[in-house]
Amino acid sequence: DTAVSQTPKYLVTQMGNDKSIKCEQNLGHDTMYWYKQDSKKFLKIMFSYNNKELIINETVPNRFSPKSPDKAHLNLHINSLELGDSAVYFCASSQFTGEETQYFGPGTRLLVL
Amino acid sequence: GNSVTQMEGPVTLSEEAFLTINCTYTATGYPSLFWYVQYPGEGLQLLLKATKADDKGSNKGFEATYRKETTSFHLEKGSVQVSDSAVYFCALLRRGSQGNLIFGKGTKLSVKP
Repeated sequence: DTAVSQTPKYLVTQMGNDKSIKCEQNLGHDTMYWYKQDSKKFLKIMFSYNNKELIINETVPNRFSPKSPDKAHLNLHINSLELGDSAVYFCASSQFTGEETQYFGPGTRLLVL
Repeated sequence: GNSVTQMEGPVTLSEEAFLTINCTYTATGYPSLFWYVQYPGEGLQLLLKATKADDKGSNKGFEATYRKETTSFHLEKGSVQVSDSAVYFCALLRRGSQGNLIFGKGTKLSVKP
């Protein structure tokens, strides 16, 4: 009965590779988000989608491409991985865009070697 | 711009000690304010929130009051337990921001038995 789930939980890969992280929510929410938490634990929003439509696109390299096949899923694809991409990536969802409570997934720990 | 400033950690306390983690914010308009908690190896969980001035959010013995005059939302607990050891994040959500939660840098709390 996990509300927001992410796969994989851990991802270790080489520089230059392409990888994807998947996120699914079973809360019936309309809006989903991706956040990045760096090595100093600082959290910053990357993207948000409302019902498959891109709403927020912060200053993120275009190697990062979110894809939302339906409103319950928001995947993050990263091309040409770099060392600086190593971080924990959190997916979140909320009932509506701007809705106050966001529910977070467990995070995906990405390590680029 | 909009920002959140939290006291630097780590904070180390003995069990049953009183906890205060300071949080101040800068925002246009009147944001909603949140405390999220991240237990070791886990994702973020909403701890409490307040949506307008003088509101008090409370949960699991933690409290925080939205103080507009001091632009603060300090987290307090009267008697901490070892199980409270975690990283605590203060965050704000500006109305009309389309869900862009802005986080502080987090404060790590360690409670010793």
